[in-house]
Amino acid sequence: GESVGLHLPTLSVQEGDNSIINCAYSNSASDYFIWYKQESGKGPQFIIDIRSNMDKRQGQRVTVLLNKTVKHLSLQIAATQPGDSAVYFCAESSGTDKLIFGTGTRLQVFP
Amino acid sequence: KAGVTQTPRYLIKTRGQQVTLSCSPISGHRSVSWYQQTPGQGLQFLFEYFSETQRNKGNFPGRFSGRQFSNSRSEMNVSTLELGDSALYLCASSPGLAADEQYFGPGTRLTVT
Repeated sequence: GESVGLHLPTLSVQEGDNSIINCAYSNSASDYFIWYKQESGKGPQFIIDIRSNMDKRQGQRVTVLLNKTVKHLSLQIAATQPGDSAVYFCAESSGTDKLIFGTGTRLQVFP
Repeated sequence: KAGVTQTPRYLIKTRGQQVTLSCSPISGHRSVSWYQQTPGQGLQFLFEYFSETQRNKGNFPGRFSGRQFSNSRSEMNVSTLELGDSALYLCASSPGLAADEQYFGPGTRLTVT
């Protein structure tokens, strides 16, 4: 498949462990945030989103935490599986402005 | 419901040529955004169309252009191709304005030789 990024920060976790992927965003006015997962050879896939009036949102095996004070976003994946191996991007927007994507983190899951 | 489709999936062009890429959004989605993805620069926003009007534009030269049709399908065009235009071009659609969750297509891999 295509290489999404050759020099991305990488997080390596063992299957079954929890993963935490972090993202620092730049615009204090951003009020909408999304996490995407991109597998090799595919387009980014929506995972979960959160608006700035919330601190935490949970999905299936995933939780997004938002800390507006330090402009930090994290994605927690419970019981990480081999199928979770991918590049994860956070994205931010302000109002109806366009989404701005972070550089991405590569998650590697080993047995 | 069918996802976002992009054609062609792979394309090889030579410097100086022009190229047109096509994107069909999810049925009912009115917003289409285009992104360029390269290993060195990550995901870079190109432009966004909503109801046939360009609503936002990224920092790309005028060689990059796009349009949206009344059925929400979109095309982007790159003229006078340069080696540095080699990238994965991604299209994303959303129901309303692009700040809503976007659904991406598989991309078109463009190689310029």
